[in-house]
Amino acid sequence: QKEVEQNSGPLSVPEGAIASLNCTYSDRGSQSFFWYRQYSGKSPELIMFIYSNGDKEDGRFTAQLNKASQYVSLLIRDSQPSDSATYLCAVSLNFGNEKLTFGTGTRLTIIP
Amino acid sequence: DARVTQTPRHKVTEMGQEVTMRCQPILGHNTVFWYRQTMMQGLELLAYFRNRAPLDDSGMPKDRFSAEMPDATLATLKIQPSEPRDSAVYFCASAPQNEGWETQYFGPGTRLLVL
Repeated sequence: QKEVEQNSGPLSVPEGAIASLNCTYSDRGSQSFFWYRQYSGKSPELIMFIYSNGDKEDGRFTAQLNKASQYVSLLIRDSQPSDSATYLCAVSLNFGNEKLTFGTGTRLTIIP
Repeated sequence: DARVTQTPRHKVTEMGQEVTMRCQPILGHNTVFWYRQTMMQGLELLAYFRNRAPLDDSGMPKDRFSAEMPDATLATLKIQPSEPRDSAVYFCASAPQNEGWETQYFGPGTRLLVL
């Protein structure tokens, strides 16, 4: 079992709809959770991080964390074609960004 | 606009040759990471440094890979000898010590093909 699991997709969502990306992790000691976006042929860039159970909102993006279920998700509201990318979930055992373990990513396509 | 730079951007080499990749972190960032990305394995941490000291290189094959930070503005990743299975995109990332430390800023990557 991989330490961080994501559905590879592709996930197709109509423009304007909500895209929901999911991630599960195996180590219960994990403390920090990150979502990175990677456009094809480009490098990853951080979208959001979350440490506490519950929701964290930033613009059209909401990260949700449930440590009991070892589950973290990313919701993208009002999806735009520019949101089409691969979304990488990353987990750290520390409160911080050290030694991130990445999932293999979910490819998201927003259909105009 | 501060960015992480990496050289070379592309490298094609033959099996058995030495490969050196270089990274210039963002000025003032004190943590530097080396990652490898393949389709099968995804993004894997190879090694990272803080204030130029190696903190963890457990993700790196020790027999052929080495990582160093000769100074605060340069990190290197060397493969000797290279093998076809080393073909991947190698990313360097840096992070600041204080404000914004949650974010790792990735360079554009070095695309390595070992024939």
